[in-house]
Amino acid sequence: QQQVKQSPQSLIVQKGGISIINCAYENTAFDYFPWYQQFPGKGPALLIAIRPDVSEKKEGRFTISFNKSAKQFSLHIMDSQPGDSATYFCAASRGETSGSRLTFGEGTQLTVNP
Amino acid sequence: KAGVTQTPRYLIKTRGQQVTLSCSPISGHRSVSWYQQTPGQGLQFLFEYFSETQRNKGNFPGRFSGRQFSNSRSEMNVSTLELGDSALYLCASSLRILPYEQYFGPGTRLTVT
Repeated sequence: QQQVKQSPQSLIVQKGGISIINCAYENTAFDYFPWYQQFPGKGPALLIAIRPDVSEKKEGRFTISFNKSAKQFSLHIMDSQPGDSATYFCAASRGETSGSRLTFGEGTQLTVNP
Repeated sequence: KAGVTQTPRYLIKTRGQQVTLSCSPISGHRSVSWYQQTPGQGLQFLFEYFSETQRNKGNFPGRFSGRQFSNSRSEMNVSTLELGDSALYLCASSLRILPYEQYFGPGTRLTVT
């Protein structure tokens, strides 16, 4: 019930292409869905997040699409750049009930070729 | 504003020893959460402290403990270290206002030999 499933495990995209990473969750009580970007040797950095009352959120080249009925959400990176090469994690939390407790997906290693 | 800081950044310990890791949250943030990151298990929640009280706890043995001080700084302790405790330990701070956005530090890389 607490799991978040993320796919693909790895992704290779050409510069300028669109990177798409998908996540699915089981617990319908989750009400906050952030995405984190992690570079080697660094901690995860908050990229963008969404609440279930909206179906899409865009910040620059990054867009989250959210499908509440399917219990799925995805990260789209438009015009992917070599500097976007990193590991991306989706996560979910239950807000008030579980405080800051985040349940993470397994991670996606993104490589953007020049 | 300075980010989350963690000390030390790297640590090598021997099986059976204990270790204490430190975290200073972003100024004004009163919630500190700890996570363990390993290649096999990914990112797993250890515990959260807010106002010097443990508010949430993950599924880890009692060898893992923590505390928070009045200035919101936090420490976590692992006693009787096992080889499997080798991991990147991450601290995240939050204002603890919904939706509880969390900001991570660089982590402490613990190696148990």
